[in-house]
Amino acid sequence: DAGVIQSPRHEVTEMGQEVTLRCKPISGHNSLFWYRQTMMRGLELLIYFNNNVPIDDSGMPEDRFSAKMPNASFSTLKIQPSEPRDSAVYFCASSRLTGTDNEAFFGQGTRLTVV
Amino acid sequence: GDSVTQMEGPVTLSEEAFLTINCTYTATGYPSLFWYVQYPGEGLQLLLKATKADDKGSNKGFEATYRKETTSFHLEKGSVQVSDSAVYFCALSEAGKSTFGDGTTLTVKP
Repeated sequence: DAGVIQSPRHEVTEMGQEVTLRCKPISGHNSLFWYRQTMMRGLELLIYFNNNVPIDDSGMPEDRFSAKMPNASFSTLKIQPSEPRDSAVYFCASSRLTGTDNEAFFGQGTRLTVV
Repeated sequence: GDSVTQMEGPVTLSEEAFLTINCTYTATGYPSLFWYVQYPGEGLQLLLKATKADDKGSNKGFEATYRKETTSFHLEKGSVQVSDSAVYFCALSEAGKSTFGDGTTLTVKP
């Protein structure tokens, strides 16, 4: 398996623009997580899905952030409009919902810079 | 809700020193426990895991034992190398949700 695939790897955008981050989870995994990592705040859980359904979005900073999972093999995280303080590395991770093989597998991340 | 508390860093050691990074957790049920490692510029990678009480996870010389009575999962290595320099995250998984600690930065000097 190719692992969790995120795109793009790097994104530089101007303040006010819309940004869409993409994630393809590992086939057969039914939990998907979006994280944000910064030096100041560390690793933050933004939202997670079980079986394509959003379970907890309490970590989403504000209404400018939205996430969707239209099917088991694709998820997006959208920021509209983007602001400089959104600059961070965004990670997607997937795991199995049940059983003992339930560790999270992380993508390589998307490094977002908003100027 | 579930939570993970791990030893604050940064931790700086000399090569071949003994490493311990403490981790304790709070959970409502019986979670699986993990240690992840993050090298610069990369995502988190699973280092080791334990799925039930008294299990010992091990990998690359690192070990951690699932202690239900003390709700702990401390990471240890007998002799660290410069290549072990990274950020280490303790985590648990329960009911489809993974919860991570804040991470501990380890620097090993030659």
